[in-house]
Amino acid sequence: GQQLNQSPQSMFIQEGEDVSMNCTSSSIFNTWLWYKQDPGEGPVLLIALYKAGELTSNGRLTAQFGITRKDSFLNISASIPSDVGIYFCAGRRVLGSGSRLTFGEGTQLTVNP
Amino acid sequence: ETGVTQSPTHLIKTRGQQVTLRCSSQSGHNTVSWYQQALGQGPQFIFQYYREEENGRGNFPPRFSGLQFPNYSSELNVNALELDDSALYLCASRDWAGGAGYNSPLHFGNGTRLTVT
Repeated sequence: GQQLNQSPQSMFIQEGEDVSMNCTSSSIFNTWLWYKQDPGEGPVLLIALYKAGELTSNGRLTAQFGITRKDSFLNISASIPSDVGIYFCAGRRVLGSGSRLTFGEGTQLTVNP
Repeated sequence: ETGVTQSPTHLIKTRGQQVTLRCSSQSGHNTVSWYQQALGQGPQFIFQYYREEENGRGNFPPRFSGLQFPNYSSELNVNALELDDSALYLCASRDWAGGAGYNSPLHFGNGTRLTVT
């Protein structure tokens, strides 16, 4: 099935460093979402973006919806050990009276104390 | 905690068997989606149910089927299991209601880990 191109695949950083990851697609999406998944759990929504060009923050997290509607990035500032996990971007189109998400392959983040 | 609960948490089946996975949606959520997440990959959309009818399907064969009940609980059934069906199966619910529907967020459960041997 269609996938979003998410990079990098993995990151190893020191506590306190900033992190940036991005997602690109050949198709347009109406909504971009960023999720975090911890081992043994389902994805948890971090940030939702609904308009092209939108820049949204959630604590130390900042995400932007690309102008072309084909890309998005997520920044994490001043990383801490609990930021460890897999981060997924997801795009959403509207399909009839519902919608479905197309996910990227994930970015595995490791934070060294 | 999202309020979406799935059962069982783990399951082992043999190739060719049938399996039923269950999901209890968050209270008030009328739309449920099912996703398959293979190891090391992002979730893949299987299908979605709205008001007890299938409303959107991903690239999965007919042996993947579902049900949504009036209380918004849901089942995913997979017939004739294959080894490649081994994955984490995620249920997600949302409240599709009026103008907020397009933007209402998906809430995921913790999934059922299915192993097919």
